Amino acid sequence: EAGVTQSPTHLIKTRGQQVTLRCSPISGHTSVYWYQQALGLGLQFLLWYDEGEERNRGNFPPRFSGRQFPNYSSELNVNALELEDSALYLCASNRGTGPGELFFGEGSRLTVL
Amino acid sequence: RKEVEQDPGPFNVPEGATVAFNCTYSNSASQSFFWYRQDCRKEPKLLMSVYSSGNEDGRFTAQLNRASQYISLLIRDSKLSDSATYLCVGPDMRFGAGTRLTVKP
Repeated sequence: EAGVTQSPTHLIKTRGQQVTLRCSPISGHTSVYWYQQALGLGLQFLLWYDEGEERNRGNFPPRFSGRQFPNYSSELNVNALELEDSALYLCASNRGTGPGELFFGEGSRLTVL
Repeated sequence: RKEVEQDPGPFNVPEGATVAFNCTYSNSASQSFFWYRQDCRKEPKLLMSVYSSGNEDGRFTAQLNRASQYISLLIRDSKLSDSATYLCVGPDMRFGAGTRLTVKP
């Protein structure tokens, strides 16, 4: 069974640009979570999607947004990139039946210059 | 206030030592917690779930203390391979900051 896959694995952008990160959950999982992990820091909760709906949002500005598609894959969009957006963006999925094990992808490492 | 707060690290212990981490939580109604392990530059992976009855898996024991609102992770007979960052997370899937453990020869 394929795990959570994320793309791209690495990317470099400049300030002010926009980026879209993609995540495919494990087959059968309906919930997708997005986290930001800056270098040496903890995981900061960004967004939670389940069954195509945004269920919860972390303390991030509106330029961080996303969506979940009917096949449960998800995109994270970040507009007007700032230097401090440089981080590893991790996607995780689970069955969406309540709190339970999260299965993480390997992440997308974004560098903003 | 964050849902979960973790012991500040880092913890540096010799092989064979017993080490314990705590994680306090703010929502007294929370009933399910999880401990994850994250190796350097890798994604987190589930180590143990923690419910009211606690959990034990080999050298690892996780417990939930409702009265004092904290969960704990105990690692006995530490191995070099236990070196990692240990993260707690509550039912809202917000992670604590993580506690870094280094086990030294």
